[in-house]
Amino acid sequence: DTEVTQTPKHLVMGMTNKKSLKCEQHMGHRAMYWYKQKAKKPPELMFVYSYEKLSINESVPSRFSPECPNSSLLNLHLHALQPEDSALYLCASSQAMSGGAEETQYFGPGTRLLVL
Amino acid sequence: GENVEQHPSTLSVQEGDSAVIKCTYSDSASNYFPWYKQELGKRPQLIIDIRSNVGEKKDQRIAVTLNKTAKHFSLHITETQPEDSAVYFCAAFSYSSASKIIFGSGTRLSIRP
Repeated sequence: DTEVTQTPKHLVMGMTNKKSLKCEQHMGHRAMYWYKQKAKKPPELMFVYSYEKLSINESVPSRFSPECPNSSLLNLHLHALQPEDSALYLCASSQAMSGGAEETQYFGPGTRLLVL
Repeated sequence: GENVEQHPSTLSVQEGDSAVIKCTYSDSASNYFPWYKQELGKRPQLIIDIRSNVGEKKDQRIAVTLNKTAKHFSLHITETQPEDSAVYFCAAFSYSSASKIIFGSGTRLSIRP
């Protein structure tokens, strides 16, 4: 299995809602990433988990809360979002962050989020 | 930290012609350079990558060249086809940038029939 999967594909939420995005991979990768992508822009790194521990937080507002329950799963919990948070949220994974051939990142299909 | 610049931002070529996209990076410690293709509404997909110990890599119609001295790398697509139309992102990986991949701003490639 060489895929990263994400659910849901689309999500519409109000500013007072709480929702979660889910990401799963079964490639045995030990690093997982959350990116935010606005239209016509490159992916923007939000969080990185390495061996199930949060290793990078790119100063993301606390209304985004990541969670890595195990080495195959990555969640992003959303609460009290703003309309400007509307974007495509991409999950990615790589074998590791330690270098060599392991850092190639494979992306999931993304969740398109609309905050009203 | 690392900074990656990508040019051009848009590129239109006749079907069958070649397309070249160029990127420069700032961190001499960067050692891994992937290229991603993103079709409209789809995920970024790795199409080719190159490591700092190699100057050129080819995969069918796609090739990447790396000049470490000048800190630039390029994507070459030959015999372009309609399905090559997409946004292409270059990227650089550097340990000094906290082991992150830094993306270029993207090139929107259109293939004219």
